[in-house]
Parts: sequence; structure tokens; C-alpha cells
Amino acid sequence: GENVEQHPSTLSVQEGDSAVIKCTYSDSASNYFPWYKQELGKGPQLIIDIRSNVGEKKDQRIAVTLNKTAKHFSLHITETQPEDSAVYFCAASPNSGGYQKVTFGTGTKLQVIP
Amino acid sequence: DSGVTQTPKHLITATGQRVTLRCSPRSGDLSVYWYQQSLDQGLQFLIQYYNGEERAKGNILERFSAQQFPDLHSELNLSSLELGDSALYFCASSVERLAANTGELFFGEGSRLTVL
Repeated sequence: GENVEQHPSTLSVQEGDSAVIKCTYSDSASNYFPWYKQELGKGPQLIIDIRSNVGEKKDQRIAVTLNKTAKHFSLHITETQPEDSAVYFCAASPNSGGYQKVTFGTGTKLQVIP
Repeated sequence: DSGVTQTPKHLITATGQRVTLRCSPRSGDLSVYWYQQSLDQGLQFLIQYYNGEERAKGNILERFSAQQFPDLHSELNLSSLELGDSALYFCASSVERLAANTGELFFGEGSRLTVL
């Protein structure tokens, strides 16, 4: 089955700096890579996703890159703000509809220091 | 608000007991997923149901079982509870219709189970 590794497990940045979280996956059949943000006491929420037919996607201060050859993808947050503090999970799925099980990474706890 | 409702929010019970966690998916979502999140752990996939049928199984213990009812709500049953079963249990739902296949999972706020 799919195995998703995520690094780092914790990340502290100064407000305004950039944050980068990296993930690798093992199953070459995976073609959908979502990122979820989990705030304290809440369930994870999708913030951005990328499909295997593109290499990069941006949404305001958030961007995700995908390297299918190397089987890794990354989340980039620019101009970080205190409200970006949360746990971030990457995930991989062999089907964009989540039809089969979505495999999550172990999470990165991001702390943005004001 | 994701539209996914989980009850109860908190549950404290003793070892050896049995509990039932309930999930109501977003209106129109046919798929329900169950995940376990232990302390400092990621999201471990347990099981998925689609329109009442089991679709995929993950690392779900034999002591655990689930079902999805005709009204699409789902229940996760945990029996012969052990201390190590203490965790946050999340339910998520997704559309999974061919015409609206976004891939997004909508999570509830979870049920925190504490086994003493």
C-alpha cells in the first residue's frame, strides 16, 4: 500500500517568513495530493490540492509543488501569519475522488511566532 | 462548519467496555470514512463506506466494526476497549459522484475517546 512520509514534524518560523513542508510517497499509482490544515480542537480542512497532471499550484500565500519522478511534493506558505499556526497533513490517493483510501502523512506542527 | 456531525464529542469509559460513535455526513455525500488520531500521531485510516457498503479497509482492529445505514449516517463500534484505544476518532465524508468528483474530504470535529 501507499506510504507517505512527511518532514519536518515541527516547524517554528517568525511571522512574515516562509514555511516549507515536504512529503514523499511510495505508490506510483497515486495521482491526487491534498493538503489539510488542522487547527486546535477541530477536524482537518482541505487548504489546497494538486493532481498529477500539473507540477505547481498556487492559492494566494499557499503553493504546492509536485515532482512525480522523485515522488515528492511540498507545501510552501509565504508571508506567514499567526493564524497559520496549526498542524498540516499531506496526503496521497490513487484516485482524485478519494474513492480508495487516502493515506496521510504524520503531520507537521507549524508555529508562527509573532 | 464542515457539515459533518459527530457525536459524542467526548467519551470516557473503562477498559473492556463497548462504545458507539456516530457520524452524520454532509447532505448528499455518499462516502463516509473513519480515521483514528492518537496522541502525536497522524491520521490512521480505519474504514470507508460508500452508499451503505464497505468500500475499503485500513488498519482497523477486529474489535472494531462499522456500518453505514440507509440514511447514510454511520456508526463506529469499538468493543473490549483497551487503554491504547484512547484517541480522537474522526469521521469524514465526500461527494464521490462522477459529476462532482472533487476529492475533498470533509471532516467532523471528532469524538475524543478516553479509556481508563
